[in-house]
Order: sequence, then structure tokens, then C-alpha cells
Amino acid sequence: AQSVTQLDSQVPVFEEAPVELRCNYSSSVSVYLFWYVQYPNQGLQLLLKYLSGSTLVKGINGFEAEFNKSQTSFHLRKPSVHISDTAEYFCAVISGGGADGLTFGKGTHLIIQP
Amino acid sequence: DGGITQSPKYLFRKEGQNVTLSCEQNLNHDAMYWYRQDPGQGLRLIYYSQIVNDFQKGDIAEGYSVSREKKESFPLTVTSAQKNPTAFYLCASSIQAGSLSGEQYFGPGTRLTVT
Repeated sequence: AQSVTQLDSQVPVFEEAPVELRCNYSSSVSVYLFWYVQYPNQGLQLLLKYLSGSTLVKGINGFEAEFNKSQTSFHLRKPSVHISDTAEYFCAVISGGGADGLTFGKGTHLIIQP
Repeated sequence: DGGITQSPKYLFRKEGQNVTLSCEQNLNHDAMYWYRQDPGQGLRLIYYSQIVNDFQKGDIAEGYSVSREKKESFPLTVTSAQKNPTAFYLCASSIQAGSLSGEQYFGPGTRLTVT
């Protein structure tokens, strides 16, 4: 079985400051990891994904994430946030044969303060 | 443009009525999914379908039903047996279930309010 834990339900940060959204996962087999963003009353949009290769993954809108197998983490980072980054962010994992699809964390609400 | 459409965006129903949410995709994806989203709960899987005429229960299937008669369509019926149906419902698709690329594409969602 796979599971995802997003350690912070809400993260307030000032505009132009750096941010890190934390994600830890558990799985008994190899995993593939994703970050999605959801703007108010909209569907989810893929930010980035880790399938294999370099553990540092770059995504859209200046976001990046680092896969750390020993710490079972996939934290999302941005060096300088903008008001438009205010949204809900979801970490997700798929493992094993992948037949059951993605398992999502409960989400982190990123609040950008001017 | 390829994508997933869900209609309507907002839906209001009286308690005790069944209601069907529409989901259509023109991405030629084999797999489709329905999720329910509640504040602070993340996304919870209701049903998924790997291929036409086949579907499986997810984590919270009670009170819901689906059909998959066509590849591009995966409607969800919220029945009167669902005890707390008010939520935001998201439909998604992926190239194929069991694909480890795993990426799912999401529709814009339907917000259902039952009073």
C-alpha cells in the first residue's frame, strides 16, 4: 500500500520570499511522484513529476522538487513566490503496477502575503 | 483542443434525489477516474475505469454508481444512499491504467450542493 503525507495544511509566506512545501511518502516498492496545483474552483494541473533519472526535477512556474529516497521525501520549492502562486498544492504517488492510479496527500494551502 | 469537460460547473439538488455528473474526454485515454474533494481531505477516489465496459470501486464508492459505455464518457451518479453528497467532484483521465507514467489530466470539476 502507498500513502502520502503533506506535513503542513497551510503555509503563509511573503511575496518574493522562498517557499518549501513538504511531502513524505511510504511505499514498499519503487514509486513515481507528482506535484499538482489547484487554483480556486478549478481542476488540478500538473506542476512536475519524478519518474527516474536526476533527483532534482524542474516544473512549470519556476517550481522544482527533489526526490530523496533515503528520507522518502519529495519536497516542492520555489526561490521567490508571487501573489499568483496562491493555490492548493497536492503531492501524489503511484507505485507497483500502477493499476490503482494515484494516491494524493491532503494538500497544502499556499498563502502569499503582500 | 483536447481535454476533459465536466458539466455543469455548479449543481443543486434536493435531498433524496439522484443526480448524474457528466465527464467527457477527447484525449483518447483508456483510463478514467472520479474523485471527491472536501476541505482538508484532499482527493478521495470514488470509482475508476481502465477500459470500456469495466470499472472498479475506489476508496469511497458507497452511494455512487458509474457506467463506461463509451471510451470518451464516464458519468457518475450520486444516489440518495450517499449520506453526505455535498462536495466538489473531479473527473480525470490517463493514457492507460497500469501505466507508470501515472500522469492524470483533470477536468474543471462540478460543485454539487444538496439541501
